Amino acid sequence: DAGVIQSPRHEVTEMGQEVTLRCKPISGHNSLFWYRQTMMRGLELLIYFNNNVPIDDSGMPEDRFSAKMPNASFSTLKIQPSEPRDSAVYFCASRETGAGYGYTFGSGTRLTVV
Amino acid sequence: AQSVTQLGSHVSVSEGALVLLRCNYSSSVPPYLFWYVQYPNQGLQLLLKYTTGATLVKGINGFEAEFKKSETSFHLTKPSAHMSDAAEYFCAVSDRTNDYKLSFGAGTTVTVRA
Repeated sequence: DAGVIQSPRHEVTEMGQEVTLRCKPISGHNSLFWYRQTMMRGLELLIYFNNNVPIDDSGMPEDRFSAKMPNASFSTLKIQPSEPRDSAVYFCASRETGAGYGYTFGSGTRLTVV
Repeated sequence: AQSVTQLGSHVSVSEGALVLLRCNYSSSVPPYLFWYVQYPNQGLQLLLKYTTGATLVKGINGFEAEFKKSETSFHLTKPSAHMSDAAEYFCAVSDRTNDYKLSFGAGTTVTVRA
């Protein structure tokens, strides 16, 4: 298995532009999580899905952020418009639903908004 | 609600010395406990986990952790540090009252001195 695949690995964009981050979870994993990691705030859960349905989006910082999971093998996190304070590493993780399963993380997307 | 406290945000050890990273958890029901490692510019990787059964669990790269219910702890150890152990380590807890969603600690950065 190729693991959780995120693209792009690095993204540099100008303030005000739209940014779309992509994630392909492990086949058979029913849950998908989007995290943001910064030096100041550490790891923050933004949103998670069970069986493609958003369950908890309370971590999404504001309306500029949106996430979708149109099918079991693909999810996107979109920021529109982007701001410099959105600069961070964004991780996607997936998990089999149920007890005792840890998450498998992707390699992350390092976003820089200038 | 479950939570995790990692004691010490930075730990420095000499090569060949014992590595001890402390983790205490709070959970209203028997928890599932995890340790993850994050190497520079990479995603989080599962080191080991405790679900049920034997309270001493062994993981990858020579690490092990012991679940102590009476102390609500899950400390991570490695008898002899190697330069390649330099990384950030995260403790996490999950339980069935929260959809087995992981709650992460703030992380402990380990540096290894030659």
